[in-house]
Amino acid sequence: DGGITQSPKYLFRKEGQNVTLSCEQNLNHDAMYWYRQDPGQGLRLIYYSQIVNDFQKGDIAEGYSVSREKKESFPLTVTSAQKNPTAFYLCASSAGAGPQHFGDGTRLSIL
Amino acid sequence: DQQVKQNSPSLSVQEGRISILNCDYTNSMFDYFLWYKKYPAEGPTFLISISSIKDKNEDGRFTVFLNKSAKHLSLHIVPSQPGDSAVYFCAAFNQGGKLIFGQGTELSVKP
Repeated sequence: DGGITQSPKYLFRKEGQNVTLSCEQNLNHDAMYWYRQDPGQGLRLIYYSQIVNDFQKGDIAEGYSVSREKKESFPLTVTSAQKNPTAFYLCASSAGAGPQHFGDGTRLSIL
Repeated sequence: DQQVKQNSPSLSVQEGRISILNCDYTNSMFDYFLWYKKYPAEGPTFLISISSIKDKNEDGRFTVFLNKSAKHLSLHIVPSQPGDSAVYFCAAFNQGGKLIFGQGTELSVKP
């Protein structure tokens, strides 16, 4: 089955720690995206990547970092600099400018 | 600055009736719009889209209408079913190719 896999589904982090969220896709899509969803709000773009070894900041990139070493993988690191990291994180991919396909998300909580 | 707005956080409809979800946007340069459906703890799934060269697009029970002069689009679901209960997001592609999401409307279809 083609799709996007995000892991883990739930993640807990102590204050001051960095944590990395995984996103893998087997749809052969060039573009990948990371969004954050907070209660009562829409999805806000953190980072996106149009091709391997290239990525751009989205609207709320502060406190986050990404890498795109392989077409299939786009991990997101939530650093200790992110002041309010508790949220639902969604990864997506698309073939060019078409509709984005989403994974099932990772819920990050701070202990 | 919310460029895509869904002003109704929630909507309740009786099974079999029509559900109408509304979305307004501020940027007249937006030319491609999408609707996504999201269940709790899952990623959004693409539902239907419309290009600005059209004013209507239909797919089964789902129809999207676009009024460019009013910068308004709506999603009609007829007939509504209990399984349609979810959060619906509208989104628009900006000139940079990024998706801008509304805040979402939670639809509840009662039997």
